Amino acid sequence: EIVMTQSPATLSVSPGERATLSCRASQSVSSNLAWYQQKPGQAPRLLIYGASTRATGIPARFSGSGSGTEFTLTISSLQSEDFAVYYCQQYNNWPPKVYTFGQGTKLEIK
Amino acid sequence: EVQLVESGGGLIQPGGSLRLSCAASGFTVSSNYMSWVRQAPGKGLEWVSVIYSGGSTYYADSVKGRFTISRDNSKNTLYLQMNSLRAEDTAVYYCAREGNYYDSSGQIIRGYFDYWGQGTLVTVSS
Repeated sequence: EIVMTQSPATLSVSPGERATLSCRASQSVSSNLAWYQQKPGQAPRLLIYGASTRATGIPARFSGSGSGTEFTLTISSLQSEDFAVYYCQQYNNWPPKVYTFGQGTKLEIK
Repeated sequence: EVQLVESGGGLIQPGGSLRLSCAASGFTVSSNYMSWVRQAPGKGLEWVSVIYSGGSTYYADSVKGRFTISRDNSKNTLYLQMNSLRAEDTAVYYCAREGNYYDSSGQIIRGYFDYWGQGTLVTVSS
């Protein structure tokens, strides 16, 4: 099973600054990597798929990069609504399908 | 507009059974890959099961043999039948639709979740 490891577990950043979140796969997943944002009491929201493609309606301040085993989600200028938990997810296993998520990074206000 | 609405959660004793439903609108369940993903209280996301448009089903090892995913095409609804429930099955259960795109070679790529329901809480406790 592919294990996804996110770092750091918690990231403290001031509004208006840049946030960089990391996700590492235990083996190559090519570009089959998605990022989600989850706020308390809400369902996850798709931000990025294919490692770098923004989902519909996602602001341009969110960007994804990487391939293989190392991936990054960057939020260029943090807005108040961006403070949340972020998860990465690989979808490279094919088949049988096993989808694995990272443990999450909590982005909090500094 | 795509919408997913889960129902059927509640408090159930260990060893009991429960069936979750996910009513979809704005798209056809049977034409898509549909999954259940769960989240234990204060924890991260765990994929549970998927049903392909062709009907193939897959499960996480943690629920294999106990949970069954299915759909009713006439009702455009996804289900998760959960048997032999354990305390560790306590979680919010989300249904989610898989998105897809074509890569540079023309191959269809699936596996990420573009739409999620609001979730339904299942609590397994005596």
